[in-house]
Amino acid sequence: DTGVSQNPRHKITKRGQNVTFRCDPISEHNRLYWYRQTLGQGPEFLTYFQNEAQLEKSRLLSDRFSAERPKGSFSTLEIQRTEQGDSAMYLCASSLGQGPYPYEQYFGPGTRLTVT
Amino acid sequence: DQQVKQNSPSLSVQEGRISILNCDYTNSMFDYFLWYKKYPAEGPTFLISISSIKDKNEDGRFTVFLNKSAKHLSLHIVPSQPGDSAVYFCAASMIKAAGNKLTFGGGTRVLVKP
Repeated sequence: DTGVSQNPRHKITKRGQNVTFRCDPISEHNRLYWYRQTLGQGPEFLTYFQNEAQLEKSRLLSDRFSAERPKGSFSTLEIQRTEQGDSAMYLCASSLGQGPYPYEQYFGPGTRLTVT
Repeated sequence: DQQVKQNSPSLSVQEGRISILNCDYTNSMFDYFLWYKKYPAEGPTFLISISSIKDKNEDGRFTVFLNKSAKHLSLHIVPSQPGDSAVYFCAASMIKAAGNKLTFGGGTRVLVKP
């Protein structure tokens, strides 16, 4: 199966530590998205890449958050100086951006972050 | 300012009957709508979508209806099966916006009883 994969699946960290998550999209997809989901809510958009270019960032993405997608393949999301409010499920999605189904995004299993 | 709302947090239905999930949106710029299903500990799985140029789209047991004037869409599952028990999210997008990011509702938890 060549779906979207995310690592790690779970991360527990202490407040103030830095964490980094990785997302590997579906190989032919040129768009990659990061979302955050808290308990009882739907996913909220954080940022998106078209190939290696980061083209939009939500105001939810404070300056402690940074995302990269070197060479337009996998992506990393780093959170510096974590806070308890950062505890959430971080979801990655990818899409083709063209063809018969350009707008459908396919999600990975997510990384659940717990900040203690 | 929730732009996409799912007002029913949960729904219980008997196996074989119809499940109807509702979703309302406020932003008239949305012109593409999607439904996702989510099982615990998994990411959302794409189910079905509809463009604003249509008012109905069907795929097997799943049908999505769009009422643009009411800014309302619904997902019908017929017949419902126990494996359909999950959380369902509706999402909206703008086709001409760069990136087509998704705006999600809060979800509806469906329980299909055998």
